[in-house]
Parts: sequence; C-alpha cells; structure tokens
Amino acid sequence: SAVISQKPSRDICQRGTSLTIQCQVDSQVTMMFWYRQQPGQSLTLIATANQGSEATYESGFVIDKFPISRPNLTFSTLTVSNMSPEDSSIYLCSTPGGPYNEQFFGPGTRLTVL
Amino acid sequence: KQEVTQIPAALSVPEGENLVLNCSFTDSAIYNLQWFRQDPGKGLTSLLLIQSSQREQTSGRLNASLDKSSGRSTLYIAASQPGDSATYLCAVRGYALNFGKGTSLLVTP
Repeated sequence: SAVISQKPSRDICQRGTSLTIQCQVDSQVTMMFWYRQQPGQSLTLIATANQGSEATYESGFVIDKFPISRPNLTFSTLTVSNMSPEDSSIYLCSTPGGPYNEQFFGPGTRLTVL
Repeated sequence: KQEVTQIPAALSVPEGENLVLNCSFTDSAIYNLQWFRQDPGKGLTSLLLIQSSQREQTSGRLNASLDKSSGRSTLYIAASQPGDSATYLCAVRGYALNFGKGTSLLVTP
C-alpha cells in the first residue's frame, strides 16, 4: 500500500491569501488526485494531477483557483488561491495502488479561512 | 452521473451490538467498491475493497457485501466497540471514485 504524507496538517488563513498544500508518496505512482471535503459533506474530486502535463479539473473547479503542480512521480502540490471562508475544508491527496486499484488517502490538510 | 447514498446518516448503538451500514449506487457499471473509516478531522483509512466480480470481503469483525445488479452494498460490523466510533464512507469506482455522505457511528460503552 502507498504511504502518503501531507503538509501542513492544518492552517488558519486570512481571506484573500493563498495556501500551498504538499503531498508526498513513498513510491512512484502514475496517478495522484486531490479531493475536498467541506464541513459535513462527503469528498469531492477537485482534479487529477498528471506528471508532465496540466492537471485535469472536474466540473466546478478551475486552474486559476486551484493550481496544481506535479513535478515528479512522488510529489504534488495544490494551491488554494484568493481564499474565502467558503474554501474552509479538509483537502486530501490520494492515489490508487495495489493489484485492485485500492484508493489510499493522505491524512488531510484542515484549512480554516477567516 | 453516479449517485451514492448511505443509510442511515447517523447511528448510535450500545457496545457489543452487531450492526449494518447500507450503501446504494445508481450505476451498476463499476470496477470496485471501497469502504473507508474517517475519524473526526482526519483522513480516510481503507477498510475493505470489493471487486465488481466479488460478492463479499471480510476483515476481522468487518464484512462487506456487494450486489452489483441491485446497486447495493452493506458493511456489517460484529460485536461493536467504542473504538469503532467514526464516520464510515462508501465509495464506488467507475471512471472516478464517487463517495456517499457517510454514516456517523457512535458506539457507547
């Protein structure tokens, strides 16, 4: 199974600022995903981070708001730009692994925007 | 679009009870179904993965079943313990992984 770490684990930010979240996987993986979990809600896929090309965003999410980098096969970053209180969520990095595409998640980054 | 529904939304049981969590999905064209546990403010821990060709999977006190044709899965927890208190999420993999809203479980001593 993949071991995934995220930094920071939590942060409190002022509206209008940006925060970059880092995701590190302990092995090389083809696909990395970023999810958002708003308070009291389930997980929503933001985008697929592709190594060597632009991320693929889901409906309702745009690159200007959530720029993503994927410089290599073990690392990705998600930036939450020009934050507003509505961006307060847990952001999770994820990758599939094993013979049956089991999905593994990082511990999450808990973001509060004031 | 795949819709995943989990019932009940919340459940409170005394320690020692056996319980069943339900998950239903609208599109039966899935690759697999996965059950996760999430503790408050934390990430997700994978509990069980059922391939589309399988009917059930077991791990310790947990048993998950899958009826793909009817779009249903159940997670059975035997002899519940206070440490089982968490939110349980069902996720269905088609093109992407689609999550239900979860069942919040409280097991009281």
